[in-house]
Amino acid sequence: AQKVTQAQTEISVVEKEDVTLDCVYETRDTTYYLFWYKQPPSGELVFLIRRNSFDEQNEISGRYSWNFQKSTSSFNFTITASQVVDSAVYFCALSGRQGAQKLVFGQGTRLTINP
Amino acid sequence: DVKVTQSSRYLVKRTGEKVFLECVQDMDHENMFWYRQDPGLGLRLIYFSYDVKMKEKGDIPEGYSVSREKKERFSLILESASTNQTSMYLCASSRPRGLGPGELFFGEGSRLTVL
Repeated sequence: AQKVTQAQTEISVVEKEDVTLDCVYETRDTTYYLFWYKQPPSGELVFLIRRNSFDEQNEISGRYSWNFQKSTSSFNFTITASQVVDSAVYFCALSGRQGAQKLVFGQGTRLTINP
Repeated sequence: DVKVTQSSRYLVKRTGEKVFLECVQDMDHENMFWYRQDPGLGLRLIYFSYDVKMKEKGDIPEGYSVSREKKERFSLILESASTNQTSMYLCASSRPRGLGPGELFFGEGSRLTVL
């Protein structure tokens, strides 16, 4: 069975601090896909990134970066120089079988950026 | 602008009532999903559909059914609502990407309260 664990329920930081959101996953599949989504206060989840299990290169997009480590089954998300607009609930998700279209989500981490 | 539209943002129903939650997408996506979101539990998959008239159970299908008569529309049905079905319901759609899952596009959610 696939499982995603986001151990940090809530994080609160001051604006401009860097913050890392942890994601640990479990799967027996050799081919799988990992995702991050953002849910702002408006409620609609927004896609941030998709990664397949064969691509362990870290990715950077502006202030966002992702660190994928198969050795520790982790796919962590870092926001550099956080801003108030980054305040949201962030979800990590896994699709653990090639061809499978459904995602398994973690519990989510509520991030609050204080001015 | 691509869109997933859920018919109602807020509903209040009584125990035993039949409830219909409607979802429409305008992206010609093959896959559609119903999740429920509860604090501390993240998103859990109720049902999904990968084609018209096709459906597959997710992780928590008990007490729910679905209907997909047209590609763009996916309905979630609570045959006899119960208080433990009070939740936020999220509809999503996607298209396969290569051999794996594509990113999900979400609606704004329907918050259902069962009294």
